[in-house]
Amino acid sequence: QLQLQESGPGLVKPSETLSLTCTVSGGSISSSSYYWGWIRQPPGKGLEWIGSIYYSGSTYYNPSLKSRVTISVDTSKNQFSLKLSSVTAADTAVYYCASHRTRLVRLDWFDYWGQGTLVTVSS
Amino acid sequence: DIQMTQSPSSLSASVGDRVTITCRASQGISNSLAWYQQKPGKAPKLLLYAASRLESGVPSRFSGSGSGTDYTLTISSLQPEDFATYYCQQYYSTPQTFGQGTKVEIK
Repeated sequence: QLQLQESGPGLVKPSETLSLTCTVSGGSISSSSYYWGWIRQPPGKGLEWIGSIYYSGSTYYNPSLKSRVTISVDTSKNQFSLKLSSVTAADTAVYYCASHRTRLVRLDWFDYWGQGTLVTVSS
Repeated sequence: DIQMTQSPSSLSASVGDRVTITCRASQGISNSLAWYQQKPGKAPKLLLYAASRLESGVPSRFSGSGSGTDYTLTISSLQPEDFATYYCQQYYSTPQTFGQGTKVEIK
């Protein structure tokens, strides 16, 4: 069974870049069955998909965030990472990483999730 | 983007009740719908995918149905551990989008 764990700073200053890493265990990040995704949830609010990456480096991003988001993968470490630039208070949220089922480059549902990490944007 | 609208936003129910939550898409999504359960302070948990397929390990009291733009999640007999917030997600097209959530509370 896959396990995912987010790591990174819990506090980021406005205008700076948020950086998080997700470590995958219990399976290979090079699996053909998965993209690897980031989802966020502002306090007390709903879920927003940020983007997803395949082990080859192929990415899909939410257009609403695309200009500020970079997702990368390190297959040697079984990790993938999120960078969100020029953050504001509106980017304060719990950030989750998750396994994103895929069939023939089509993105499907999220079946395994990390526990989530709260990132606060504040000076 | 496809907008997902859940109803109701919240409901109060008793243990043993039958509960139904609706998710409506702004356009047809061909059963490309998943349901998640989220408890406070925890990550969402996948319950169903392809509108009606139960994820392994999920109790059979959870079921899903629907087609086109309208989908439902039904809990046949609400249990104490089912009090949580439920989200639908469409994966018919990118960007994938979630409903706003339905909070199921104890009556």
